Amino acid sequence: KAGVTQTPRYLIKTRGQQVTLSCSPISGHRSVSWYQQTPGQGLQFLFEYFSETQRNKGNFPGRFSGRQFSNSRSEMNVSTLELGDSALYLCASSTQSTGFEQYFGPGTRLTVT
Amino acid sequence: GIQVEQSPPDLILQEGANSTLRCNFSDSVNNLQWFHQNPWGQLINLFYIPSGTKQNGRLSATTVATERYSLLYISSSQTTDSGVYFCAVPYNQGGKLIFGQGTELSVKP
Repeated sequence: KAGVTQTPRYLIKTRGQQVTLSCSPISGHRSVSWYQQTPGQGLQFLFEYFSETQRNKGNFPGRFSGRQFSNSRSEMNVSTLELGDSALYLCASSTQSTGFEQYFGPGTRLTVT
Repeated sequence: GIQVEQSPPDLILQEGANSTLRCNFSDSVNNLQWFHQNPWGQLINLFYIPSGTKQNGRLSATTVATERYSLLYISSSQTTDSGVYFCAVPYNQGGKLIFGQGTELSVKP
């Protein structure tokens, strides 16, 4: 079975721009979660989607949004980029929403200049 | 919310040595995961271990849920074991994992 895939793997954007990241879960997985990793804050939960519905949301500003499609693929969008948004963005998939083993993709490394 | 603490924060070993990494959590949990973050940033699943002991090659893990801790054992360490090890527990609903700050392991040849 193919693992979780994320595109693009690397991205350089300018302050004020917006960006869309994509995540394709493992086949059969219906839950997709997004995390931000920075040296200062560690790994922080952004949000989780299950069957196209956002089930949980972390403590991030409204500039961070996401969605999930009927095939379980998910996208996250960051508008009006700030320098502090530079981070590794990881997505994870799971068969169910809560309490099940999560599998992570390779991540998208975003640099905001 | 739940707190997850890992120790030690850093560990330097000579190849062939054994090590124990610890993960403490502040509230009861119904599962726990251990990950190894490779140099490219991907989190590799090591164990999904709500309780008890599991082994996979040179690695094993034990979770004592009643005492709110988990241990990851690495035996006969190799340079490829280097990287950051994270434990994570679920919190609330909806797929949220709370991660510890990680243990950075460096194995020297």
